[in-house]
Amino acid sequence: GAGVSQSPRYKVAKRGQDVALRCDPISGHVSLFWYQQALGQGPEFLTYFQNEAQLDKSGLPSDRFFAERPEGSVSTLKIQRTQQEDSAVYLCASSFQETQYFGPGTRLLVL
Amino acid sequence: QKEVEQNSGPLSVPEGAIASLNCTYSDRVSQSFFWYRQYSGKSPELIMSIYSNGDKEDGRFTAQLNKASQYVSLLIRDSQPSDSATYLCAVKWRSSASKIIFGSGTRLSIRP
Repeated sequence: GAGVSQSPRYKVAKRGQDVALRCDPISGHVSLFWYQQALGQGPEFLTYFQNEAQLDKSGLPSDRFFAERPEGSVSTLKIQRTQQEDSAVYLCASSFQETQYFGPGTRLLVL
Repeated sequence: QKEVEQNSGPLSVPEGAIASLNCTYSDRVSQSFFWYRQYSGKSPELIMSIYSNGDKEDGRFTAQLNKASQYVSLLIRDSQPSDSATYLCAVKWRSSASKIIFGSGTRLSIRP
């Protein structure tokens, strides 16, 4: 079946612009995760959903970051007033029995 | 101390040899441990998970866990050029239902 998909794959934003990143998890996976990966680093946990409930948002770096998953399927990560330090790859993963399946990521560049 | 630590490498290993990748973690109560492989420009993919002390083998890969020493390792036997990638150690954190902490990864290069 289809894997995790993310869109857009690449996003260039001007500093101060708002962006929205979309994740389509594998059908039937109740758990969904967002990570931020800077160049040369491992993925950094941002937030976790179980169905539509956001159970852990401890990794969101500031109140400019907001995530939602209103119907328990597609999720959106929104970054308001983007800053240059937000430039990174944003990875979404859905999981089944502790195995996480990652999407291809969205590469965000803030100029 | 970082929560999950790995040597960043690069680790260079001749083709056909054993590659040994190491990871330490700071949380004594963690119970679930994972090794992911990430090719350049790609997303991570799970290679192995391990939950109990000792060794777990899957094909050319062996994961080793020592909870007392807070140490987990990955051995790759008969290394192939296609094994050249970054290997990420990940730990499910404390009693969290979900939070997984990744190390910064070790770059492995298999030389022909």
